Amino acid sequence: GDSVTQMEGPVTLSEEAFLTINCTYTATGYPSLFWYVQYPGEGLQLLLKATKADDKGSNKGFEATYRKETTSFHLEKGSVQVSDSAVYFCALRYNTNAGKSTFGDGTTLTVKP
Amino acid sequence: KAGVTQTPRYLIKTRGQQVTLSCSPISGHRSVSWYQQTPGQGLQFLFEYFSETQRNKGNFPGRFSGRQFSNSRSEMNVSTLELGDSALYLCASSDPGQANTEAFFGQGTRLTVV
Repeated sequence: GDSVTQMEGPVTLSEEAFLTINCTYTATGYPSLFWYVQYPGEGLQLLLKATKADDKGSNKGFEATYRKETTSFHLEKGSVQVSDSAVYFCALRYNTNAGKSTFGDGTTLTVKP
Repeated sequence: KAGVTQTPRYLIKTRGQQVTLSCSPISGHRSVSWYQQTPGQGLQFLFEYFSETQRNKGNFPGRFSGRQFSNSRSEMNVSTLELGDSALYLCASSDPGQANTEAFFGQGTRLTVV
């Protein structure tokens, strides 16, 4: 079956540091890939998405590129802020089955001033 | 446009009781999915309803059930609660009629079983 593997956390960075959160997936077909962010006490918010190989999703300074050859969708940001502290989830979903997403375990990011 | 609304936000129940959670999707969205989030198991898919029919189902026991009404609002029910059912329950709505549709999540219902 399909699965998503994220780098283990937690990740602690200083403000303005470079962020990478690794995500790899196993899929039987050609899914769309997503990054979601969850702030304490909140639900999930879509951060960015990519729907096909080589697509780059970007939002709020975060980027991720859909790499079919390495089955990866790593999240990056050049300069993190304290407000980026949250839990980040990588997920995949098929357009033909849009109601079901498969999530990674989440990576907790803490940014210190 | 109002977002996905889940009620209640917090619940405390006793083992053996049953509970019903509610989810109102974004207007126009006909698909509602439910997920259970726990520290140990992460985010796990429970089921999806589309046009009042269950379209997908995850690997949960029959104590977990759901339904969807004609206005797309959905409820999930958990019977004979166990301590391990304590979790954040999230629902997501989407519009399957749109290409590359995205799912919008509610803030969740935090269920504590004591």
